[in-house]
Amino acid sequence: EDQVTQSPEALRLQEGESSSLNCSYTVSGLRGLFWYRQDPGKGPEFLFTLYSAGEEKEKERLKATLTKKESFLHITAPKPEDSATYLCVITSYGKLTFGQGTILTVHP
Amino acid sequence: DAGITQSPRHKVTETGTPVTLRCHQTENHRYMYWYRQDPGHGLRLIHYSYGVKDTDKGEVSDGYSVSRSKTEDFLLTLESATSSQTSVYFCAITVTGGYEQYFGPGTRLTVT
Repeated sequence: EDQVTQSPEALRLQEGESSSLNCSYTVSGLRGLFWYRQDPGKGPEFLFTLYSAGEEKEKERLKATLTKKESFLHITAPKPEDSATYLCVITSYGKLTFGQGTILTVHP
Repeated sequence: DAGITQSPRHKVTETGTPVTLRCHQTENHRYMYWYRQDPGHGLRLIHYSYGVKDTDKGEVSDGYSVSRSKTEDFLLTLESATSSQTSVYFCAITVTGGYEQYFGPGTRLTVT
């Protein structure tokens, strides 16, 4: 059975304090790993797709990386507007498996 | 923005009443999905559609039915709402040729 485990469950940072979110996964035949951002009361917003180990994607202060067992979402010099829940999702043969998310809070 | 709208955005209903939620897309994508999101459970797939009148069950389909008579609309119906169906419901689409899904703004449903 495909599984996604995200850690930590919650992360509090000071503005400018860089850190990383972890997503560990087990899957039979990874077709892609996705990162989403979800703000309270809104739908998940697509950020990145990673397809193979070694791949990296960047968007503003966010950088996602992928190995054969896990993915990291690195946040460099975060700002309060980066506060959100970040979801890691894997897909295998058309089926999506969602992680529980990491709640990120960035204090000014 | 994948051009997805959901209606209503909020609804309060009583146990035993039927409820229909609507998902509308503007770009004629083939695949559409309904999820529910609950604390402690994350996002769970209810039903999905791979074309007009082509639908299939997800992992939590009991108590729900769907219909898709037009490419742009995917309806989720709770035939007789129960308090356990109080949740936030999200519609999603897959862009042709991709695997990632794009989500609508959600419908918050409360069954009293």
